[in-house]
Amino acid sequence: ETGVTQSPTHLIKTRGQQVTLRCSSQSGHNTVSWYQQALGQGPQFIFQYYREEENGRGNFPPRFSGLQFPNYSSELNVNALELDDSALYLCASSGDSSTDTQYFGPGTRLTVL
Amino acid sequence: QKEVEQNSGPLSVPEGAIASLNCTYSDRGSQSFFWYRQYSGKSPELIMFIYSNGDKEDGRFTAQLNKASQYVSLLIRDSQPSDSATYLCAPSRGYKYIFGTGTRLKVLA
Repeated sequence: ETGVTQSPTHLIKTRGQQVTLRCSSQSGHNTVSWYQQALGQGPQFIFQYYREEENGRGNFPPRFSGLQFPNYSSELNVNALELDDSALYLCASSGDSSTDTQYFGPGTRLTVL
Repeated sequence: QKEVEQNSGPLSVPEGAIASLNCTYSDRGSQSFFWYRQYSGKSPELIMFIYSNGDKEDGRFTAQLNKASQYVSLLIRDSQPSDSATYLCAPSRGYKYIFGTGTRLKVLA
């Protein structure tokens, strides 16, 4: 167990809807990274938040947005859901440097119908 | 060329044997190299990382790095059926980890 928690565990949405996924980082960690993992693929980097600021972003459209709170928990928001957004969404927390080792939470399985 | 390449497998080894998992990467600026294990339906779990050329051992696991050849590997000694999983290689440059698609390992009892 890494101490990183995510909610919900599973979610089913329809195309065009919006979704919010949540992540609580491990105690003492102030950095959260979000990844999307499609079936049979490796995790793809969406973005990272370090001390409440977006620290970097992967190749994802603006309808993927995020937020980090003063307690370092984080949200991932996805607007205008598409069928291809169906995936496992992973949150990883790391320590006091954005380059510290990342530890993953259990993930949220999103299905878009 | 993919940024990180791994043989998708499955790699089948008998129980007690050495499993050798390989990974090549394209970004010469990669600084650290991580190996994660992922069981079906679960999230990735860190096994170990390496950032200097050579070998690094942790229990039954040994990571090997050759930056000149842009190659990193993971050896698992005395493989157990519980080692059956997908192994993800992830070079990193700063905060950004680039994952391969993983190698599926099957350890046969």
